[in-house]
Amino acid sequence: NAGVTQTPKFQVLKTGQSMTLQCAQDMNHEYMSWYRQDPGMGLRLIHYSVGAGITDQGEVPNGYNVSRSTTEDFPLRLLSAAPSQTSVYFCASSYRSYTEAFFGQGTRLTVV
Amino acid sequence: AQSVTQLGSHVSVSEGALVLLRCNYSSSVPPYLFWYVQYPNQGLQLLLKYTTGATLVKGINGFEAEFKKSETSFHLTKPSAHMSDAAEYFCAVSEGYGNSGGSNYKLTFGKGTLLTVNP
Repeated sequence: NAGVTQTPKFQVLKTGQSMTLQCAQDMNHEYMSWYRQDPGMGLRLIHYSVGAGITDQGEVPNGYNVSRSTTEDFPLRLLSAAPSQTSVYFCASSYRSYTEAFFGQGTRLTVV
Repeated sequence: AQSVTQLGSHVSVSEGALVLLRCNYSSSVPPYLFWYVQYPNQGLQLLLKYTTGATLVKGINGFEAEFKKSETSFHLTKPSAHMSDAAEYFCAVSEGYGNSGGSNYKLTFGKGTLLTVNP
């Protein structure tokens, strides 16, 4: 029962570096999304996908790119990391809008 | 556009006391409503959800919530708090949009309420 798997769990980047946060789910869910969690801000939606080949922007998309080439994978790319992107990132997936969203364990990213 | 407001970023109760976490939402269409719980250094897990039907929904660990359309509220309650209930709680709303009959949707979270339980 893998569910939603995020890698890495922790990452430290220097300003200007790029990286990809990986997210994979094995539940054949159509809907996948990325959130960032900051103290006092709750979870804010970065990007989401309603199926392979379809992505759209959420509330805070600037500085992030996504793609969805398969149903299982939904990577999040930081092209040029900035200190403002220091956060905890969560990937989630769900089968339908009214069904449970399953969350990964999160990636704690620090940009110095 | 949908939004979620959780009243009180921090709620403190004594063990055995009533837990009441408040959530109000705005949505242009009937929404799907959720409560999630996050324990320290973990991801979120579902407590309960409202889709259609009975407005009082029961979840895990003795929690329940009531959907009140007239008040646009979905408050979370538990009759008797336990030390293990200490966590952060998030209310969320899912609303469909677009021309595809609701197959496109967004899940929007409130800012969270940190629940502490005192012995």
